[in-house]
Amino acid sequence: DIQMTQSPSSLSASVGDRVTITCRASQSIITYLNWYQQKPGKAPELLIYPTSNLHSGVPSRFSGSGSGTDFTLTISGLQPEDFATYYCQQSYSTPVTFGQGTKVEIK
Amino acid sequence: QITLKESGPTLVKPTQTLTLTCTFSGFSLSTPGVGVGWIRQPPGKALEWLALTYWDDDKRYSPSLNSRLTITKDTYKNHVVLTMTNMDPVDTATYYCAHIPSVNTYFDYWGQGTLVTVSS
Repeated sequence: DIQMTQSPSSLSASVGDRVTITCRASQSIITYLNWYQQKPGKAPELLIYPTSNLHSGVPSRFSGSGSGTDFTLTISGLQPEDFATYYCQQSYSTPVTFGQGTKVEIK
Repeated sequence: QITLKESGPTLVKPTQTLTLTCTFSGFSLSTPGVGVGWIRQPPGKALEWLALTYWDDDKRYSPSLNSRLTITKDTYKNHVVLTMTNMDPVDTATYYCAHIPSVNTYFDYWGQGTLVTVSS
């Protein structure tokens, strides 16, 4: 199985900050990396697929990059509605695997 | 507009079999490339993929749960059923089904989830 490791596990940030979350795969997944946002009590929502394509309706302040084993999700100008937990997921091969999540909290 | 909704018991006893149904609309499971997956999330923990089925009846399972899982689809009734045998309290989780738009297996639309508690 491909292991996905996110860092940090949590972070505190202020509205307007630029936030970067990293996801590392245990082997190359080329660019088959997707990002989700989950708010408390809600289902996850797709943000970015694969690596850098914004899902319909996702604000342009979200962006993704990377290839091989190292990927980043960047939020440029954090908004109040962005405080949530973010998960990466590899779709290079089954079993599909997710990272452990990064919780973005208000400073 | 793609929607999915999970249904099934909210409480099961240890050793029982769980049967969950995902009823969907806005897409067809006979369309090439399309699939439906199941993902669960124990309280306060991360997402865990369980199983998926594609339009061509290709089925994939989590290796760690493979012996306990069965996924089936009914293209005409627009639903996908997941069964999990020999339930244990560690299987307590919110179970989600989600739409897969292509063979690049990501989940673009999710159901609201259903919390299943395993307890005697």
